Amino acid sequence: TQLLEQSPQFLSIQEGENLTVYCNSSSVFSSLQWYRQEPGEGPVLLVTVVTGGEVKKLKRLTFQFGDARKDSSLHITAAQPGDTGLYLCAGAYSGGSNYKLTFGKGTLLTVNP
Amino acid sequence: DTGVSQDPRHKITKRGQNVTFRCDPISEHNRLYWYRQTLGQGPEFLTYFQNEAQLEKSRLLSDRFSAERPKGSFSTLEIQRTEQGDSAMYLCATSLGGRETQYFGPGTRLLVL
Repeated sequence: TQLLEQSPQFLSIQEGENLTVYCNSSSVFSSLQWYRQEPGEGPVLLVTVVTGGEVKKLKRLTFQFGDARKDSSLHITAAQPGDTGLYLCAGAYSGGSNYKLTFGKGTLLTVNP
Repeated sequence: DTGVSQDPRHKITKRGQNVTFRCDPISEHNRLYWYRQTLGQGPEFLTYFQNEAQLEKSRLLSDRFSAERPKGSFSTLEIQRTEQGDSAMYLCATSLGGRETQYFGPGTRLLVL
């Protein structure tokens, strides 16, 4: 069974602070996605990374894919209350079923005004 | 709106009843996936279609569950003789053939009393 560990599981911060969320596995990903999910809704895609060492920026969000394609991080600069939500990473494993995503449990972020 | 749609958004049923959910994909996407998400967890893979062919079913999908995609467009997920443990969010996702980025619908939240 391939596991994808996310940390921290919960994060509560004040508006304006920076934060980093981590996603780790012992297996190699062929691709990795980050999603944001609000209560009662489906996950909304933020980014897809496929190349080891890749860095992608989406406004105040910076996504990094590890060189070995086993880990990823999401960094948010100057967090705002609108960033509140569940952040999920999901990976398609290299050499496995490239269509089946394995999700972490998510990081529940609360940004307090 | 050209995104993935799901119907109904919410379903409350009594234990032992049958329920059916529908997913309409993004029009050009030939791959369709069903996931289940319980509270505090990330989504878990249930089954996958490429066009009308169901290519994989998770061990999570008991004999009471059946999914179809008769014309390679919309899909249905039926649960027979529902149990309280079936209460969850059922998510549908679709992707373009040959790519791994999956786009999710808003989900159907099922509550079995």
